[in-house]
Amino acid sequence: SAVISQKPSRDICQRGTSLTIQCQVDSQVTMMFWYRQQPGQSLTLIATANQGSEATYESGFVIDKFPISRPNLTFSTLTVSNMSPEDSSIYLCSVRNRGQGYEQYFGPGTRLTVT
Amino acid sequence: GQQVMQIPQYQHVQEGEDFTTYCNSSTTLSNIQWYKQRPGGHPVFLIQLVKSGEVKKQKRLTFQFGEAKKNSSLHITATQTTDVGTYFCVGPMEYGNKLVFGAGTILRVKS
Repeated sequence: SAVISQKPSRDICQRGTSLTIQCQVDSQVTMMFWYRQQPGQSLTLIATANQGSEATYESGFVIDKFPISRPNLTFSTLTVSNMSPEDSSIYLCSVRNRGQGYEQYFGPGTRLTVT
Repeated sequence: GQQVMQIPQYQHVQEGEDFTTYCNSSTTLSNIQWYKQRPGGHPVFLIQLVKSGEVKKQKRLTFQFGEAKKNSSLHITATQTTDVGTYFCVGPMEYGNKLVFGAGTILRVKS
């Protein structure tokens, strides 16, 4: 299994500002994903972070709002840009290795509150 | 679009009672996974089912995959307070390597 850390673990931000969330994995992984989980809700996939190329975004999420980087096989960042209170949520990094089934491992999450 | 539906949304049981959550997909699934999320925690992988009609057990937890590979269930025998959390069934999207999460079933256990 992979051990995933995320920074920051939580933050309170003002509307209109941006926050970058970091995800670090203790081993190389082929696939990295970013999810959002609003209070009491299920997980919604934001995008797949692709190493060395642009992320693949799901319907309803765009690069200008959620730019993602993935410079190597162990690290990725998600930026929440021009934040509004509706962006208050938990953001989770998740990883999986291709060819080893669909089992995914999740980071501890970043709890974001926008005031 | 592809959906994974889960019921019940919420269940509150007395410690020692059994608990079951059900999952239905709008399409046939190549596999189904179950995750548990403790309050304040992150989802943790429990199990993956691949074969039609497959049944797997983990101590007091029994997981089942339907014959048509469109439904699944998780049954907990004699619940304990440590079983508290949200249980998600998760299926792969029809295209690509991504997962679709069900809405989850929140389990609360009264001691």
